[in-house]
Amino acid sequence: GESVGLHLPTLSVQEGDNSIINCAYSNSASDYFIWYKQESGKGPQFIIDIRSNMDKRQGQRVTVLLNKTVKHLSLQIAATQPGDSAVYFCAEILPYGNNRLAFGKGNQVVVIP
Amino acid sequence: DAGVIQSPRHEVTEMGQEVTLRCKPISGHDYLFWYRQTMMRGLELLIYFNNNVPIDDSGMPEDRFSAKMPNASFSTLKIQPSEPRDSAVYFCASSPTPGDNQPQHFGDGTRLSIL
Repeated sequence: GESVGLHLPTLSVQEGDNSIINCAYSNSASDYFIWYKQESGKGPQFIIDIRSNMDKRQGQRVTVLLNKTVKHLSLQIAATQPGDSAVYFCAEILPYGNNRLAFGKGNQVVVIP
Repeated sequence: DAGVIQSPRHEVTEMGQEVTLRCKPISGHDYLFWYRQTMMRGLELLIYFNNNVPIDDSGMPEDRFSAKMPNASFSTLKIQPSEPRDSAVYFCASSPTPGDNQPQHFGDGTRLSIL
């Protein structure tokens, strides 16, 4: 029979509202973090990144916040649009691997028109 | 610019058959990665290459899996013999030299179904 699937945390947000997606990372020595967006049937797509010497970085409609004290990363999407509906993954570059990424479990965002 | 190109996009085959997945990385990228994505385990790194040389294959599930990179513009992931539990989406990604902290760029994956 089929395996039980992984139930992703889901955020339902009204179109036009702001979204906040949270992520806890594993290694306090990681120094580079990335947010990816994955739409159905596609590969993960780079959204924004941040290095550990920064607390905040802004892009177009997106902001990433890094709290190294509690090993927490968040992605804020301003004025959420239907095209933002996707699964969002945070990833960290592990300090002992050349560009080796460790991915979080993912968060499903559903935008309600 | 062309992104990472994977083929085929979908593959359905019977268990016991050999499966070959193909990847063309972005030109100029020194690193190539193979991932597997399932609902149960999420995204898992299988193996990665630097300048065509395998660096870490600790994520390869078992000897049925093998990967090669004969040149800078082509890599294959082979499963022989295939089993139903190999059904997943397989992604290839590439990136420049990590010193620049450049993100990995992913292809759109191969959805593999083993019957």
